[in-house]
Amino acid sequence: GENVEQHPSTLSVQEGDSAVIKCTYSDSASNYFPWYKQELGKGPQLIIDIRSNVGEKKDQRIAVTLNKTAKHFSLHITETQPEDSAVYFCALWSGYALNFGKGTSLLVTP
Amino acid sequence: SQTIHQWPATLVQPVGSPLSLECTVEGTSNPNLYWYRQAAGRGLQLLFYSVGIGQISSEVPQNLSASRPQDRQFILSSKKLLLSDSGFYLCAWGTGKTEQYFGPGTRLTVT
Repeated sequence: GENVEQHPSTLSVQEGDSAVIKCTYSDSASNYFPWYKQELGKGPQLIIDIRSNVGEKKDQRIAVTLNKTAKHFSLHITETQPEDSAVYFCALWSGYALNFGKGTSLLVTP
Repeated sequence: SQTIHQWPATLVQPVGSPLSLECTVEGTSNPNLYWYRQAAGRGLQLLFYSVGIGQISSEVPQNLSASRPQDRQFILSSKKLLLSDSGFYLCAWGTGKTEQYFGPGTRLTVT
């Protein structure tokens, strides 16, 4: 399936700082780019997504940017809080299902 | 609104025993349904998907099988569990090549 590379694998920030997670892909036909947040012991939760006809989408403290030319999309979290600590996944459609990045473990320290 | 349920939440089973995990979706019709496994670490591995009743596609050959006896019911089964079947099993639903929503998961430990 469509490969999606996610970086970094771990990220530690201080409360109030920003966090950025980036994913790169190769299939130029991709047109839907979601981000999921998974807290310990729970299922992944869709937190934000973007379609290929826009370059940026914001929802309060989180935003996603898309660069279709360079084939990468990024999750931005501003004013991080301890409850933002979780594993974050990007994903792309490949065939009939989403193909996920390997995840980024974000730790926000008070 | 739509909701997705999985049960049981946790399960401890001996090697060689059978398995049945159930997933149901409420508030939508003819959803696409998915089973994923998440082993130690973080990766999400697609196991099965279904676009309709009785239609099952397998992504990875393994010791597991899936069935969809009703429109909003998806079952993951095994006749004889292996130690390597331990993991966090996630069911998900969607209606096309856009949003996909996950259930709360089942933690399976094979001893």
